[in-house]
Amino acid sequence: GQQVMQIPQYQHVQEGEDFTTYCNSSTTLSNIQWYKQRPGGHPVFLIQLVKSGEVKKQKRLTFQFGEAKKNSSLHITATQTTDVGTYFCAGAGGNTPLVFGKGTRLSVIA
Amino acid sequence: KAGVTQTPRYLIKTRGQQVTLSCSPISGHRSVSWYQQTPGQGLQFLFEYFSETQRNKGNFPGRFSGRQFSNSRSEMNVSTLELGDSALYLCASREGGQNYGYTFGSGTRLTVV
Repeated sequence: GQQVMQIPQYQHVQEGEDFTTYCNSSTTLSNIQWYKQRPGGHPVFLIQLVKSGEVKKQKRLTFQFGEAKKNSSLHITATQTTDVGTYFCAGAGGNTPLVFGKGTRLSVIA
Repeated sequence: KAGVTQTPRYLIKTRGQQVTLSCSPISGHRSVSWYQQTPGQGLQFLFEYFSETQRNKGNFPGRFSGRQFSNSRSEMNVSTLELGDSALYLCASREGGQNYGYTFGSGTRLTVV
């Protein structure tokens, strides 16, 4: 079945440093979504990418969808303590359900 | 709009018992999905319902079942509980199909002892 791999599993950064998490699917995706889960919270939808090569920005966050629609990345510029949490990518293909990666846990040291 | 509501928030059950978890989606959302979240396995898909029909089912044993009612509210049931069923069970709703993001509830934390 469809698998979504996400790396790294953990990332510790100094406040102000950049952060990137990568997502790879075993199959071509129709779309990819990104979610953030704060410690003790539930996943919160951030964004969806649909088109090949698509790039979207939300303030300091930049999301990319690969040309082959099998990989994606989330880049945070100049991290802040409010960015702490686990970032999940989730992909869907055809009529398959949304499959989540295992997430990247981001810690920001002030 | 009220968010996705899951009840109960916490539950402690004994091995062998059964449990029913409830989810009320955002008003107007007809698609409801359930996920199991554990530290080791992450978010694993259980079921997806749309207009009372199960559209997809994850790779879980038959002890896990669910349903959706005409008002879009959903329940999931786990029978003959095992220790490994201890997890956070998350319900998520969305307006339609794949082109919509999920809104998650706060989850039900199930502990099996």
